[in-house]
Amino acid sequence: EADIYQTPRYLVIGTGKKITLECSQTMGHDKMYWYQQDPGMELHLIHYSYGVNSTEKGDLSSESTVSRIRTEHFPLTLESARPSHTSQYLCASSESSGTGDEQFFGPGTRLTVL
Amino acid sequence: KNQVEQSPQSLIILEGKNCTLQCNYTVSPFSNLRWYKQDTGRGPVSLTIMTFSENTKSNGRYTATLDADTKQSSLHITASQLSDSASYICVVSDRGSTLGRLYFGRGTQLTVWP
Repeated sequence: EADIYQTPRYLVIGTGKKITLECSQTMGHDKMYWYQQDPGMELHLIHYSYGVNSTEKGDLSSESTVSRIRTEHFPLTLESARPSHTSQYLCASSESSGTGDEQFFGPGTRLTVL
Repeated sequence: KNQVEQSPQSLIILEGKNCTLQCNYTVSPFSNLRWYKQDTGRGPVSLTIMTFSENTKSNGRYTATLDADTKQSSLHITASQLSDSASYICVVSDRGSTLGRLYFGRGTQLTVWP
């Protein structure tokens, strides 16, 4: 079991609310990622970070923002949630290895925006 | 366009039976290919990693194969168990970027019936 945690696991909120999805890892990994996953679809990278104070946008356009103030913490924020943001959000972390980065995933946050 | 295609989309088998899941990719350049298992409501967990020079790799009842010439991989599950019910995701990494960009398939949803 990977040491990467996400809270909350489930969240149901109304349109227009500001939310923050938490992600933390205790493995000391430099790289962290946020993915969005809809049922039956592939994971889409929305944000990633190489280390503290480093954040980049991923392949899928997202209205969310992230921050990386501490190595172990990589929160994702939606300033004004909309129904189109309803999805599963997965956080992952990795460190470089000789055979390529293995990403360790958290359990995910299932977000529903009404 | 770099893509990862998996088949079948879903599969139902009886407990104790064997099955094989397929993954075709067009990702180039190629670094490695991983098979992940994702239980319902959980994050993906890596089962195996295949590099360019590897043809076969086993992890317990899971055996992955890779044909780098035809860009095909398979995951064979032997003597299936109820706990094998999950989505199996094929993930290919290129070596064309510092990030080691990952390309995700949509997964094969496996259901094992008693």
